[in-house]
Amino acid sequence: AQSVTQLDSQVPVFEEAPVELRCNYSSSVSVYLFWYVQYPNQGLQLLLKYLSGSTLVKGINGFEAEFNKSQTSFHLRKPSVHISDTAEYFCAVGASGSARQLTFGSGTQLTVLP
Amino acid sequence: GAGVSQSPSNKVTEKGKDVELRCDPISGHTALYWYRQSLGQGLEFLIYFQGNSAPDKSGLPSDRFSAERTGGSVSTLTIQRTQQEDSAVYLCASSRNTGGGEQYFGPGTRLTVT
Repeated sequence: AQSVTQLDSQVPVFEEAPVELRCNYSSSVSVYLFWYVQYPNQGLQLLLKYLSGSTLVKGINGFEAEFNKSQTSFHLRKPSVHISDTAEYFCAVGASGSARQLTFGSGTQLTVLP
Repeated sequence: GAGVSQSPSNKVTEKGKDVELRCDPISGHTALYWYRQSLGQGLEFLIYFQGNSAPDKSGLPSDRFSAERTGGSVSTLTIQRTQQEDSAVYLCASSRNTGGGEQYFGPGTRLTVT
């Protein structure tokens, strides 16, 4: 079984500032890791994913995340945020090699302030 | 091609009534998932279909919940004798049958039980 902890439920940040959204996971098996974004009244959209290989993965909209196996973390970062990045962000984990369901964290609301 | 579609987008029902929620996955996707998103919560897995295999129903919260997938395509989630705690957004996703493949989400059905 897997579990995901998103340590911050809300993160306010000023426009053009850097941001880090934290995600820690636990699993008894090897994992795939994902970050999804949800804009108001919309479904989830994939930002980026880690399957294997390089631990630093780059996604859409200038976001990146780093897989740290020893710390069981997969934090999401962006060096300079825009107003349009305001949304809910979800970290998710799945069993490596499997197409089965994902386990999601409770989400982090990122609010970018002018 | 079209993404995952869900209908209705909103459903208001009285406590004790039955409801049916529909999901049309992306053509060619063999895996289909139902999740529930309650206010301020992450996504809770409900059920997973993979091709013609028996579905994984391990996430269904009670026997009032059931789902079927006809012809390996369209899926219907049925909630019988709805309760107020069933109020949530029900999200459907589909993916190709490959480990680590992206799950594509529909816009969801917002269910309100009065």
